[in-house]
Amino acid sequence: AQRVTQPEKLLSVFKGAPVELKCNYSYSGSPELFWYVQYSRQRLQLLLRHISRESIKGFTADLNKGETSFHLKKPFAQEEDSAMYYCASLSYNTDKLIFGTGTRLQVFP
Amino acid sequence: NAGVTQTPKFRVLKTGQSMTLLCAQDMNHEYMYWYRQDPGMGLRLIHYSVGEGTTAKGEVPDGYNVSRLKKQNFLLGLESAAPSQTSVYFCASSPPDGKINNEQFFGPGTRLTVL
Repeated sequence: AQRVTQPEKLLSVFKGAPVELKCNYSYSGSPELFWYVQYSRQRLQLLLRHISRESIKGFTADLNKGETSFHLKKPFAQEEDSAMYYCASLSYNTDKLIFGTGTRLQVFP
Repeated sequence: NAGVTQTPKFRVLKTGQSMTLLCAQDMNHEYMYWYRQDPGMGLRLIHYSVGEGTTAKGEVPDGYNVSRLKKQNFLLGLESAAPSQTSVYFCASSPPDGKINNEQFFGPGTRLTVL
């Protein structure tokens, strides 16, 4: 079955430190991948999608087909980046999103 | 636009009670989804709908039923609540304008506790 793996439940860094939230997927074809974010007391929202090759709030994510990864990176973390981050993959035979278990990012001052 | 709204925000049930969660969207989206969010499990799809009058099972459909009588509403029902259904429930919707643009828009969530 198609799967998205986020190996870290919690990632803690200090403000200004680089951040990398790991995501691995199991689909062998050309996946469509997303990062969603949930800030405290806010609803889940799309952060970025790989097809757009965009940088949102300083975050980027590069698809590495060889490693089947889509890690989320930011060179200098900010306190307001503290949130729950979910990696998601579009199911190859439906329009359903398959979510990872999420990584909570804590950025300390 | 209100986007995706969910009613109620909180609810406490006793085992065996029934209830219905309402999701409404005013974006004219075709697709709607119900997820549950549990610690360490991420978001798991319960049921979804690709249009008015249609529903389909997701990853964890047991113990839940859904209905999509109107395009803007997607109801999630628990016929006989169990403590294992204690969770935060999220509704989402998305337009069917191609997979590339398949962003899902989420509601604020409903926190359900079953005693």
